[in-house]
Amino acid sequence: QSVLTQPPSVSEAPRQRVTISCSGSSSNIENNAVNWYQHLPGKAPKLLIYYDSLLPSGVSDRFSASKSGTSASLAISGLQSVDEADYYCAAWDDSLNGVVFGGGTKLTVL
Amino acid sequence: QVQLQESGSGLVKPSQTLSLTCAVSGASISDGAYSWGWIRQPPGKGLEWIGYISHSGRTKYIRSLQSRVTISIDRSKNQFSLKLTSVTAADTAVYYCARVGSSAYSTWFDPWGQGTLVTVSS
Repeated sequence: QSVLTQPPSVSEAPRQRVTISCSGSSSNIENNAVNWYQHLPGKAPKLLIYYDSLLPSGVSDRFSASKSGTSASLAISGLQSVDEADYYCAAWDDSLNGVVFGGGTKLTVL
Repeated sequence: QVQLQESGSGLVKPSQTLSLTCAVSGASISDGAYSWGWIRQPPGKGLEWIGYISHSGRTKYIRSLQSRVTISIDRSKNQFSLKLTSVTAADTAVYYCARVGSSAYSTWFDPWGQGTLVTVSS
């Protein structure tokens, strides 16, 4: 059972937009920044979003993220088959005094 | 370009010690702006943060592993290591090393190594 809650899977057609939710609490998401990671099969996880909504250099602007209260969300627009991956949210947890991850969401591009 | 590469034993017997090393290239492990950390992923499960070490050697570990885990740094070789004692099958996972960035209210991992599978089995 992960501290941050994500849907196990989402799916959408190519060129469409999909969102992935991440639910937490006041000890993590509400008071600390959320980061998002993309994990392609057989590859190293990659930082996708940091500080709630900032894109690292080189990350496509098809990716965006937001946060409100104890929840955060990742949006991917113009879906492509290359976006098929597992997506994880993560944040510092003040109660646990460590980094917590969501359980991950598997994105399928239909 | 910063790159990290894990190495170590891929098969560990129960009750023994898991030892992994992460070699860093393209950056100095003594860079005060970053720490260096470990994350693991058990088969079929999500990511789990293990801990990290700062450039000065200060460590922070996940509470559930705190009694068994040690992360250390070797500046002469520009690498850092993970030791996990008294392993069980539950420690079977792909282990990733990563550079750790942090601020007052955020800790992020970028970049990551490719990961190495460690299996605990007799």
